[in-house]
Amino acid sequence: SQQGEEDPQALSIQEGENATMNCSYKTSINNLQWYRQNSGRGLVHLILIRSNEREKHSGRLRVTLDTSKKSSSLLITASRAADTASYFCASFLADRGSTLGRLYFGRGTQLTVWP
Amino acid sequence: EAQVTQNPRYLITVTGKKLTVTCSQNMNHEYMSWYRQDPGLGLRQIYYSMNVEVTDKGDVPEGYKVSRKEKRNFPLILESPSPNQTSLYFCASSLSGVDEAFFGQGTRLTVV
Repeated sequence: SQQGEEDPQALSIQEGENATMNCSYKTSINNLQWYRQNSGRGLVHLILIRSNEREKHSGRLRVTLDTSKKSSSLLITASRAADTASYFCASFLADRGSTLGRLYFGRGTQLTVWP
Repeated sequence: EAQVTQNPRYLITVTGKKLTVTCSQNMNHEYMSWYRQDPGLGLRQIYYSMNVEVTDKGDVPEGYKVSRKEKRNFPLILESPSPNQTSLYFCASSLSGVDEAFFGQGTRLTVV
């Protein structure tokens, strides 16, 4: 399966600390995306990094991509209690010769930030 | 407001009683898909559609049907629901499939 795998499965930190989540995938991808899900709600897109990019920032989020290791990491700096959620990576794999393809999700990391 | 709308949000039904979960998007997106989310298994794609009248199976299509007669709508049909289809279902859309996906609020289905 192409499905990505996040690590760790669960992460518990104090407010103000940084949170780092990792994602590994199996085959070459076009892009990798990170999503956030509050308990039982729909997923919300956080950031997209293309296969030719190595790092991307958005506010307190920093995403890196290492295509040689088939891995990505999401760093949330100065975390807040409101960051408590599940975080999913999703790797986009295009059909050969096409921009069409599918998004494959991992099982997620449950982040808990304590006040 | 740009959004993906699913209905109903919650549904309890009995085994074998046909049901439809509707999904509608107002962003003129080409690509729509259905996922189910189960504890410990993450999101698994059921079906996806790249355009009107173009649909394809995802990873777990058994027991489900879809149709894409209009660009904005992508209903999920369970012809004969079974208890193993008890799950949290999400509809999503994106402009072309390669870019960010917008998710609906989810439909929690229980089949007894």
